Amino acid sequence: QSALTQPRSVSGSPGQSVTISCTGSSSDVGGHDFVSWYQQHPGKAPQLLIYAVTKRPSGVPDRFSGSKSGNTASLTLSGLQAEDEADYYCCSYAGPSTFVIFGGGTKLSVL
Amino acid sequence: QVQLQESGPGLVKASETLSLTCSVSGASVKSYPYYWGWLRQPPGKGLEWIASIYYNGRPSYNPSLGSRVSISADTSKNQFSLSLSAVTAEDTAVYYCARDTDGWATFDVWGQGTVFTVSS
Repeated sequence: QSALTQPRSVSGSPGQSVTISCTGSSSDVGGHDFVSWYQQHPGKAPQLLIYAVTKRPSGVPDRFSGSKSGNTASLTLSGLQAEDEADYYCCSYAGPSTFVIFGGGTKLSVL
Repeated sequence: QVQLQESGPGLVKASETLSLTCSVSGASVKSYPYYWGWLRQPPGKGLEWIASIYYNGRPSYNPSLGSRVSISADTSKNQFSLSLSAVTAEDTAVYYCARDTDGWATFDVWGQGTVFTVSS
């Protein structure tokens, strides 16, 4: 099964909002409400930002929000800050045969 | 708090078997309803899920890796391990262990990662 599709890069200025899309299929994103998002700074392990499409773990600022429509999930970052510059990965449960599938990652630049 | 720490050889020759262990502290690998997983990230590339093991020992595997991969847990040591056979250069990556809170791809705690290189 192919990876979920994410834009290679997005950018925004401090204080602005950006949205990162994650497109899959009815077998993964569209078929299950189990999409998660991860932030990864260079040389560091990924950190969970969003799970179950819209839920935030404790400690994650409410500037980060998730949504889904059909086969596409989205991560929105509002009030961009310099420290948001990182790679972002979406992930979806993909059923009892494939289990887990990731997107290719999106590099966010804060200009 | 829950912490995970990977350990294993940093270098293995092509065609040999990679063995990695993840030591868990602050939680038990026997605790319901957690899954414990392995993921990897080739240099400059994205994340790939490899395998997970449920608290009761039931494994699940990425079908793209076929029969080369095996995951197991040692509850007496509170560890879980990955074995990947017949490695090639494509298996060179940073390998992470992580906890999945519910089996639905929610990896909430990660190890720091260990670099693994396949030599020819």
